Amino acid sequence: ETGVTQSPTHLIKTRGQQVTLRCSSQSGHNTVSWYQQALGQGPQFIFQYYREEENGRGNFPPRFSGLQFPNYSSELNVNALELDDSALYLCASSLAQVAGWTEAFFGQGTRLTVV
Amino acid sequence: AQKITQTQPGMFVQEKEAVTLDCTYDTSDPSYGLFWYKQPSSGEMIFLIYQGSYDQQNATEGRYSLNFQKARKSANLVISASQLGDSAMYFCAMREGGSNYKLTFGKGTLLTVNP
Repeated sequence: ETGVTQSPTHLIKTRGQQVTLRCSSQSGHNTVSWYQQALGQGPQFIFQYYREEENGRGNFPPRFSGLQFPNYSSELNVNALELDDSALYLCASSLAQVAGWTEAFFGQGTRLTVV
Repeated sequence: AQKITQTQPGMFVQEKEAVTLDCTYDTSDPSYGLFWYKQPSSGEMIFLIYQGSYDQQNATEGRYSLNFQKARKSANLVISASQLGDSAMYFCAMREGGSNYKLTFGKGTLLTVNP
């Protein structure tokens, strides 16, 4: 077990609603990234937070937003849910050091279903 | 162009035999890292092994080894002495040099270990 925990594990929402997913990083890690994994695909990078600021974003619209808190936990918010947002959402934490990053450790994911 | 290509959608191997999972990558960045992750049906991405672009020797971690051929841009995962618990999806991923920890994943290979 990696120490990265995500909640909830499963979620069902209706199209048009908003959702918040949560991630608690591994102890000592200061960087958190979020990924979307559609069924049968590899994970796609959504964005990354370092020291409470977004410092990288993938090809996702602005209705995907996030936060990182002083304790390095994080939230992913998705507004105006669409059916295609149904996916497994993975959170990964790592430690940014002078020499570079340590490897990323992933949580178990939140499976979001939009109906 | 795809940055990470995994050409084997599915692979079968007999228990106790070795298996090679293929991965080719495309980047113009001289500084990059290559990763392999295992994803069981539970959804969590489990880090297996890492190879840096400047590493002179192939990485090894227990039963896992990475056959890194830089000129061919390939980073194949070799699992020795397969076990039933190795049955899972396997993803190859790359991180290119830069200010964030974005991982680019392939589409994955489903490995089934037969008794």
